[in-house]
Amino acid sequence: QSALTQPASVSGSPGQSITISCTGTSSDVGGYNYVSWYQQYPGKVPKLMIYDVSKRPSGVSDRFSGSKSGNTASLTISGLQAEDEADYYCSSFADRSAPNVFGSGTKVTVL
Amino acid sequence: EVQLVESGGGLVQPGRSLRLSCAASGFNFDDYAMHWVRQRPGKGLEWVSGITWSSGTTVYADSVRGRFTISRDNAKTSLYLHMDRLRAEDTAFYYCVKELYKAMAYNFGSWGQGILVTVSS
Repeated sequence: QSALTQPASVSGSPGQSITISCTGTSSDVGGYNYVSWYQQYPGKVPKLMIYDVSKRPSGVSDRFSGSKSGNTASLTISGLQAEDEADYYCSSFADRSAPNVFGSGTKVTVL
Repeated sequence: EVQLVESGGGLVQPGRSLRLSCAASGFNFDDYAMHWVRQRPGKGLEWVSGITWSSGTTVYADSVRGRFTISRDNAKTSLYLHMDRLRAEDTAFYYCVKELYKAMAYNFGSWGQGILVTVSS
């Protein structure tokens, strides 16, 4: 199954807001509200940041928010902090033989 | 506290088999769907397989269907991944993953530390 498309890198200065896009098709991102986002530091285990497009698990900062329009989901990080520098992956349910697909990943750099 | 501890990884020759295990604790294991997700060194995440709480439904990525088998033993609070006909491209860190909530919704809420499988002659 093809990975969802994410920009390879996004950067911003402390305090700014950045948005990471995740583009799929009507068979995955566009067809279902089952998009999730994961943060992964180098050498560490991924952490769930957003699920069901825009819901935050307990303990996740409200600086992280999710949305979707058509076949593209987005993760916005507001008030960017140095600790937000990590890799971010989107994931979606897919109406195909393989029911889940991850995005290609985005490296966030805090300038 | 949720704990997921993988074991069984290592170096294996192409074409051979390997079984990964995941020992779960800190939650009612038999209430939750579970998954395996892998990550090739330096690469992105790839969902591999999932199983419902009852083992009634198992699902697989196209890349492993027919070669890998997911299973669980609720009495032993353990998840397994039996991998046959291994290929070099199966080399990766394999993570045992618990759903955020009970149903199979592909919300990967808790992750093990991962275990490395290396397929090489």
